[in-house]
Amino acid sequence: GENVEQHPSTLSVQEGDSAVIKCTYSDSASNYFPWYKQELGKRPQLIIDIRSNVGEKKDQRIAVTLNKTAKHFSLHITETQPEDSAVYFCAASLPGYSTLTFGKGTMLLVSP
Amino acid sequence: DSGVTQTPKHLITATGQRVTLRCSPRSGDLSVYWYQQSLDQGLQFLIQYYNGEERAKGNILERFSAQQFPDLHSELNLSSLELGDSALYFCASSVGAGDTDTQYFGPGTRLTVL
Repeated sequence: GENVEQHPSTLSVQEGDSAVIKCTYSDSASNYFPWYKQELGKRPQLIIDIRSNVGEKKDQRIAVTLNKTAKHFSLHITETQPEDSAVYFCAASLPGYSTLTFGKGTMLLVSP
Repeated sequence: DSGVTQTPKHLITATGQRVTLRCSPRSGDLSVYWYQQSLDQGLQFLIQYYNGEERAKGNILERFSAQQFPDLHSELNLSSLELGDSALYFCASSVGAGDTDTQYFGPGTRLTVL
């Protein structure tokens, strides 16, 4: 089955810096890659997603890039703010299936 | 608020007991997913139901079972509970079962087994 690896497990940045979280997936057929943000004690919330026919997608300070050849995708957050502090999960799914395989998460800490 | 509801919020029970977790999907969503989240294992997919039928199975133990009812709410039953079953259990829902259907998560049920 699909396997998703996520790095780093923790990331500390200063407010205003950029943060990058990387994920690799094992099944080249995977075609949907969402990112979820989970604040402490809260539910995971979708922040951005990308389909396999797109190389990059942006939404204000957040962007996701996909490299199908290398089987990896990344989350980029610019001008980080303390409220960006949370655990971020990447995930992947295969064609015809809506089930998601999640990475183990990255704890992002943004210091004022 | 995602529109997905879960009850109870917290559950404390003893080893060997059985509990039932409940989930109501967003209005119009036909798929329900159950996940287990523990500190060292991240979000582990357990099982998916689509319009009342089991659609996909993940790392679900034989002691665990689930079902989706005609009104589309779902229940996750955990039996012969062990200390290691202590975790956050999330339910998520999506419109369909397609490979790009967005999953919306509920607030979770925190299970503590003593």
